[in-house]
Amino acid sequence: NAGVTQTPKFQVLKTGQSMTLQCAQDMNHNSMYWYRQDPGMGLRLIYYSASEGTTDKGEVPNGYNVSRLNKREFSLRLESAAPSQTSVYFCASRLGLAGATGELFFGEGSRLTVL
Amino acid sequence: EDQVTQSPEALRLQEGESSSLNCSYTVSGLRGLFWYRQDPGKGPEFLFTLYSAGEEKEKERLKATLTKKESFLHITAPKPEDSATYLCAVQSARYALNFGKGTSLLVTP
Repeated sequence: NAGVTQTPKFQVLKTGQSMTLQCAQDMNHNSMYWYRQDPGMGLRLIYYSASEGTTDKGEVPNGYNVSRLNKREFSLRLESAAPSQTSVYFCASRLGLAGATGELFFGEGSRLTVL
Repeated sequence: EDQVTQSPEALRLQEGESSSLNCSYTVSGLRGLFWYRQDPGKGPEFLFTLYSAGEEKEKERLKATLTKKESFLHITAPKPEDSATYLCAVQSARYALNFGKGTSLLVTP
């Protein structure tokens, strides 16, 4: 019963390097989300996918791209990493389609450091 | 724009000392208020959803209540294992949850 699985759990990058954070859920959920969490800032939405085949910007999308590969998988890509992107990244999913309510289920997080 | 403010930022309690955490919000068309618990190094874990003013929900030592402007998370006779950060979030017409910054709770024996 895995729920939401994120890889990698830890990553160190140099400024300018690129990388992709992977997220997969096995709950047959329709919508998926990427948040970042920084000390004193709380959780902030980067991008979301309200349903398979759609993606939309959240509060802090600059410097990121996403791909909803299929219903299970939603990846987050940093094309040219910057120190300001040092953070803990959380993927989440929810059963409901666009506009539906209901709780989010979170992964364990990916801790990224950009030097 | 949705706003969620949690207070206090940090709270230290003795075991057995009951208290409340506050979450005040402004949102256009509330479609749910959510409480989560987050342990260090872990992802947020869902606790409760409240949908309308006057609604209450309980789980063990925790009780969540909702008014038109705020929500309270009451902790009765807390134990050290209740130590965690408690997050409040609201959903409006947007598709995702808007989170507050959390209250860090420490319960000492």
